[in-house]
Amino acid sequence: DIQMTQSPSTLSASVGDRVTISCRASQTINSWLAWYQQKPGRAPKLLIYKASTLESGVPSRFSGSGSGTEFSLTISSLQPDDFATYYCQQYSSSWTFGQGTKVEI
Amino acid sequence: EVNLVASGGGLVQPGGSLRLSCEDSDSESTLRTYSMTWVRLAPGKGLEWVSYISSSSGTIYYSDSVKGRFTISRDNAKNLVFLDMDNLRDEDTAMYYCARISHSSSWLMDCWGQGTLVTVSS
Repeated sequence: DIQMTQSPSTLSASVGDRVTISCRASQTINSWLAWYQQKPGRAPKLLIYKASTLESGVPSRFSGSGSGTEFSLTISSLQPDDFATYYCQQYSSSWTFGQGTKVEI
Repeated sequence: EVNLVASGGGLVQPGGSLRLSCEDSDSESTLRTYSMTWVRLAPGKGLEWVSYISSSSGTIYYSDSVKGRFTISRDNAKNLVFLDMDNLRDEDTAMYYCARISHSSSWLMDCWGQGTLVTVSS
């Protein structure tokens, strides 16, 4: 099974900050990586797929990069609505998620 | 507009059973044309994929943690997807979400429903 390791597990930031979350796969997944945002009591929301493709309707301050085993999600200027938990997910072979990164004030 | 809703959760004793359902509340739903998955979020843990079913029900997968205890199925005439959970364990306690697999990007979960909470406790 492919394991996904996300870091950090918690990230303290302020509105306007640039933040980056990292995700590493235990073996190559090419670009079959997605990023999701989840707020308490809500369903996960797709932000980015195929490592760097922005889902329709997602603000352009979100961006993704990487391929192979190393990936990252960047929020260029953190907004109040962005405080949430973020998950990476590989969909190259079955589906596995990172353990999540909680972005908090 | 797609609006997936999961239901059927509740409190059940260890060893018990539950049936979860997932529907699209859109009257013009095309849910029958999509492959679907179930994913869960246990307290204090991350997301975990549970099961997959293709649009025709011809292909079904389970995670090792639920294989032999959970059964996924669907009724395309009613635009419903089910997860039958038997021999439930404490560690099955979680919020369960149904998620749609994209038509345009293989294996991508592009739309998720509101979850339903399953609590396994004596």
